[in-house]
Amino acid sequence: DAKTTQPTSMDCAEGRAANLPCNHSTISGNEYVYWYRQIHSQGPQYIIHGLKNNETNEMASLIITEDRKSSTLILPHATLRDTAVYYCIVSSTGTASKLTFGTGTRLQVTL
Amino acid sequence: DVKVTQSSRYLVKRTGEKVFLECVQDMDHENMFWYRQDPGLGLRLIYFSYDVKMKEKGDIPEGYSVSREKKERFSLILESASTNQTSMYLCASSSFRDRREKLLFGSGTQLSVL
Repeated sequence: DAKTTQPTSMDCAEGRAANLPCNHSTISGNEYVYWYRQIHSQGPQYIIHGLKNNETNEMASLIITEDRKSSTLILPHATLRDTAVYYCIVSSTGTASKLTFGTGTRLQVTL
Repeated sequence: DVKVTQSSRYLVKRTGEKVFLECVQDMDHENMFWYRQDPGLGLRLIYFSYDVKMKEKGDIPEGYSVSREKKERFSLILESASTNQTSMYLCASSSFRDRREKLLFGSGTQLSVL
């Protein structure tokens, strides 16, 4: 599975959009981009995933560049409850969720 | 509410003890996973299972074994606990029927080995 690179930490003001970048320059054609987050003292939680096209759900939007070498997770209106560690993971289908988590980006949402 | 339940939130054991960490899911998921999480290292996969009585090694299986006698239950066993196994242990499950194959995690067990 391709390796990902994320910033160690980011800050965002409450009510603003939080844009979390992820580089995955060695991604293969059959590999998806997954995003999870982990709020303090809890297990990670699935947010969204995509292959080529941009994706949106009730939690976030995922923008994947045309060459698929990077992506951005967007939380459109960040709240204090979005403070968490966000993991970007690349994995091929058929792996039955055998995902490799890195150290992620610690997002701090402030008043 | 569907969930993954880990038997203990906190556990303190002595070096050399045999330790059992239990995980139960109520979603009829085929796949179950054990991770450990340490500061600065992220989550690392220890073992996983795609079916009853099936197991496969993850990235760091040394010092651990697992048991899956029933579909809903996946146990992690530390045969002889050591201090370097002090960690947060997270269980997760998923299903092939979910096209997203998303992982659902338990709340974790913080194990301290003294």
